[in-house]
Amino acid sequence: KAGVTQTPRYLIKTRGQQVTLSCSPISGHRSVSWYQQTPGQGLQFLFEYFSETQRNKGNFPGRFSGRQFSNSRSEMNVSTLELGDSALYLCASSFNQGNTEAFFGQGTRLTVV
Amino acid sequence: KNEVEQSPQNLTAQEGEFITINCSYSVGISALHWLQQHPGGGIVSLFMLSSGKKKHGRLIATINIQEKHSSLHITASHPRDSAVYICAVWTSGSRLTFGEGTQLTVNP
Repeated sequence: KAGVTQTPRYLIKTRGQQVTLSCSPISGHRSVSWYQQTPGQGLQFLFEYFSETQRNKGNFPGRFSGRQFSNSRSEMNVSTLELGDSALYLCASSFNQGNTEAFFGQGTRLTVV
Repeated sequence: KNEVEQSPQNLTAQEGEFITINCSYSVGISALHWLQQHPGGGIVSLFMLSSGKKKHGRLIATINIQEKHSSLHITASHPRDSAVYICAVWTSGSRLTFGEGTQLTVNP
């Protein structure tokens, strides 16, 4: 069974631009969570979607948003990019919300210049 | 103080050694993950446990809910085990909270 797929793998953007990242979960999984990983802050929770609804949100500014489609695929959008948004963005899918095994994608490495 | 603390932060071992990585948490949890991250970024889930002990090959994970503590053991370590090992807990709602990770290097 296919794993979690994130696209693109690498991305270079300029300050002020916006970016959209995509995550396709494992077939049958309904929960998709997004995380940001930076050397200074480690892994931090961005938000979680379940059945097309955002169920939980981390402590990030409103420039970070997301959505989930009826097929459970999820997108994450960052507007007005800042240098500090350079990070590895990981998504994880799980069958249900919380307390079930999470499976991670390979991540999208975003560099803002 | 972080809600999830791991120790040690860095660990260097010789091939064949027995390795232990510790994780302590200060919040109520429903389950705990041990994750492995290789250079390049991808994260692999090694274990999810909410009580007792699990074993997979040379890897063993234990958790003591009362003491809010978990350990990951690697028996007969191998250079291919070199990676960052991350402890993560399911806390309120549906979010994972992560430890800072343990960088393991196993030398041949």
